[in-house]
Amino acid sequence: DAGVTQSPTHLIKTRGQQVTLRCSPKSGHDTVSWYQQALGQGPQFIFQYYEEEERQRGNFPDRFSGHQFPNYSSELNVNALLLGDSALYLCASSRNRVDTEAFFGQGTRLTVV
Amino acid sequence: GESVGLHLPTLSVQEGDNSIINCAYSNSASDYFIWYKQESGKGPQFIIDIRSNMDKRQGQRVTVLLNKTVKHLSLQIAATQPGDSAVYFCAENIRAGSYQLTFGKGTKLSVIP
Repeated sequence: DAGVTQSPTHLIKTRGQQVTLRCSPKSGHDTVSWYQQALGQGPQFIFQYYEEEERQRGNFPDRFSGHQFPNYSSELNVNALLLGDSALYLCASSRNRVDTEAFFGQGTRLTVV
Repeated sequence: GESVGLHLPTLSVQEGDNSIINCAYSNSASDYFIWYKQESGKGPQFIIDIRSNMDKRQGQRVTVLLNKTVKHLSLQIAATQPGDSAVYFCAENIRAGSYQLTFGKGTKLSVIP
């Protein structure tokens, strides 16, 4: 059983560009959350998707948007990239309204130059 | 400010000794807490969790203690091994049933052989 998979693993973009990151949740999970982890910091919650809708959002600007597909996979889009967007982007999957462990993917390392 | 934080950023222990990693939280409404281990280049890995109606929970070589009076969480690792070297994060679920996690900055555990 594959866990949470993210692609790509590494990405380099230029300021002002747009980026799309992808996540496939663990089998049986229907909820996907995205986190941003700056170097030396803990992950910060960006938003969460369930039933193809954004259910909750952290303190991130509208440049950060997402999507969830019928198969529960998800995308994170970031527009107008800033140098400060350089970070490890983590996807976590869980089952809706079930307080059990969330499984994290290995992350996508985004570098903005 | 951050809802969850850690007292010590780094911890070095001798192989075979017990490790204790501490965490303070400020959101008294949080009802679910998790400890994650993150190795270099990987996503956070679930270690153990505890609900707010419990004071202690034990796993394999790990114990989590929750003191709601002083809003303190600790992770105890017995007989620490070199493979335990990693950054440890505590996280709290600030919305019951939603799995929206707030992480602290992390403690880096180094095990001396």
